[in-house]
Amino acid sequence: GAGVSQSPSNKVTEKGKDVELRCDPISGHTALYWYRQSLGQGLEFLIYFQGNSAPDKSGLPSDRFSAERTGGSVSTLTIQRTQQEDSAVYLCASSLQGVTEAFFGQGTRLTVV
Amino acid sequence: QKEVEQNSGPLSVPEGAIASLNCTYSDRVSQSFFWYRQYSGKSPELIMSIYSNGDKEDGRFTAQLNKASQYVSLLIRDSQPSDSATYLCAVKETGGFKTIFGAGTRLFVKA
Repeated sequence: GAGVSQSPSNKVTEKGKDVELRCDPISGHTALYWYRQSLGQGLEFLIYFQGNSAPDKSGLPSDRFSAERTGGSVSTLTIQRTQQEDSAVYLCASSLQGVTEAFFGQGTRLTVV
Repeated sequence: QKEVEQNSGPLSVPEGAIASLNCTYSDRVSQSFFWYRQYSGKSPELIMSIYSNGDKEDGRFTAQLNKASQYVSLLIRDSQPSDSATYLCAVKETGGFKTIFGAGTRLFVKA
């Protein structure tokens, strides 16, 4: 696609429910990143995928968070048993292998009530 | 813990002035550096990338990199009210692809 696409744009969920956030990167981009941004804060790295290599999961805050990337394209970030502190904007970005600038999607605003 | 530090601001400058945004990083061998602009409620958008020591100019924007001092800056000349946003400094780890972001500096340009 022309840009990084994320869905849904907004998600309100009840505490304890599971949620799935989707990211469709720019066509041809082999690198994909997930970040989290709480209100008024900077970007917190969550996970990075590069081609067929094992993902860098070092930023995932707990075992309730997981992500997968199918076929080297679309990625899904799953948060199990959501907590109120999970409320944030979840941003996905992609970049070309060997080219390091990352381009962001519009984000998913998650609210846990 | 590798870190990217920015003054949170807010930085307030009058229209037409030069805005200077600064960033320091802890990973001495980082190779790639970026400045992103983020308007309120929007996603970050890339403004500049810089990989070598010295200055890189693009229109009203100049990025400056000093690897010895582990310092990168962004100058905005002839600042406009539309430049009012949060500016995020980002550093890519050497040997990997994880990009670490600073917390951002809020810039206000007064008309």
